[in-house]
Amino acid sequence: DIQMTQSPSSLSASVGDRVTITCRASQNINNYLNWYQQKPEKAPKLLISAASSLQSGVPSRFSGSESGTDFTLTISSLQPEDFATYYCQQSFATPLTFGGGTKVEIK
Amino acid sequence: QVQLVESGGGVVPPGRSLRLSCEASGFTFSSYGMHWVRQAPGKGLEWVALTWYDESNKYYGDSVKGRFTISRDNSKHTLYLQMNSLRVEDTAIYYCARDAGYGGSNWFDSWGQGTLVTVSS
Repeated sequence: DIQMTQSPSSLSASVGDRVTITCRASQNINNYLNWYQQKPEKAPKLLISAASSLQSGVPSRFSGSESGTDFTLTISSLQPEDFATYYCQQSFATPLTFGGGTKVEIK
Repeated sequence: QVQLVESGGGVVPPGRSLRLSCEASGFTFSSYGMHWVRQAPGKGLEWVALTWYDESNKYYGDSVKGRFTISRDNSKHTLYLQMNSLRVEDTAIYYCARDAGYGGSNWFDSWGQGTLVTVSS
């Protein structure tokens, strides 16, 4: 199985900060990496697919990138509505696997 | 718009069975693969199962293989998850999620609101 290691597990940030979340795959997954946002008591929401393809309706302050087996989700200027938990997920092979999540909290 | 509504959750003793349903609307259900994803209380996301649009291929997570069965009825726009031999560690919110394609995309572009399954004596 492909392991997805996400870091940090939590972070505190202020509105307007630039935030970076990293996800590392245990093997090559090409660009088969997706990012989701989950707010408390809500279902996850797809933000980015194929490492860097922003979903329709997702603000442009969100972006994704890749470098080998390392993937990054960046929020360029954190907004109040961005405080949530973020998960990466590999879609390269079954069993599909998620990172452990990063909780973004208000500083 | 895409809508996925799960039902069938509840409290069940260990070793028993439960069947979850997910009713879909707002898109051509028979053209999309469908998944179940679960989340234990306070924990992260875990993929459970996938069926392709025509049930020609089905895949399962290691922790549920041999106990859970995913199926669908395209005429009723409904996805199912038959859960047998339930364990305490199966306690979770179960989400149905639409695959971005016929089943081979393997990412989730729409999610239901979830249904809670509690396995407890």
